[in-house]
Amino acid sequence: KQEVTQIPAALSVPEGENLVLNCSFTDSAIYNLQWFRQDPGKGLTSLLLIQSSQREQTSGRLNASLDKSSGRSTLYIAASQPGDSATYLCGREGGSEKLVFGKGTKLTVNP
Amino acid sequence: KAGVTQTPRYLIKTRGQQVTLSCSPISGHRSVSWYQQTPGQGLQFLFEYFSETQRNKGNFPGRFSGRQFSNSRSEMNVSTLELGDSALYLCASSHGTVYNEQFFGPGTRLTVL
Repeated sequence: KQEVTQIPAALSVPEGENLVLNCSFTDSAIYNLQWFRQDPGKGLTSLLLIQSSQREQTSGRLNASLDKSSGRSTLYIAASQPGDSATYLCGREGGSEKLVFGKGTKLTVNP
Repeated sequence: KAGVTQTPRYLIKTRGQQVTLSCSPISGHRSVSWYQQTPGQGLQFLFEYFSETQRNKGNFPGRFSGRQFSNSRSEMNVSTLELGDSALYLCASSHGTVYNEQFFGPGTRLTVL
């Protein structure tokens, strides 16, 4: 069964800190790896999509990398802000299930 | 460009009833996927529809069903509701080919009493 694991489950940092969120998956047969953020009680907002042929994607203060051989993706957030506080989810696409998600990392950025 | 819309946003039902949720994808998108999100299990894939055909299916009982119309709008139906069906139901749309970004709606919060 395809599994996606996100570490840590929760993270609390002071404003301005750079941070890394981790996502690992068990099956290297992957089409896409997509990072999302979810605010409490809301839907998912797409942050970055990395296709299997790519190694990384960048958008503003966010950078995501993908290493298929090791089954890992990381989301790097530079100069964190209180508005970055949310749950971050990674979703792996590559099989009969459209997207398989990790349980997420709940990020709190303290002013 | 309008995003993915879901109706209703909130629903309260009792055990044994049935419910229908609706999802309108982004204009031009032909794929609609449904997910269930609970605190215990996280996000789990229910099924995907593409051009009015179910293309992929997750591991949920037959009480969960769906369909897609010619305008790509999709509905999800849950029959004989159980307490454990209480969840946030999310739909996502995309163009439907591989390497496509998934865009999610705001979700429907279903509470089963």
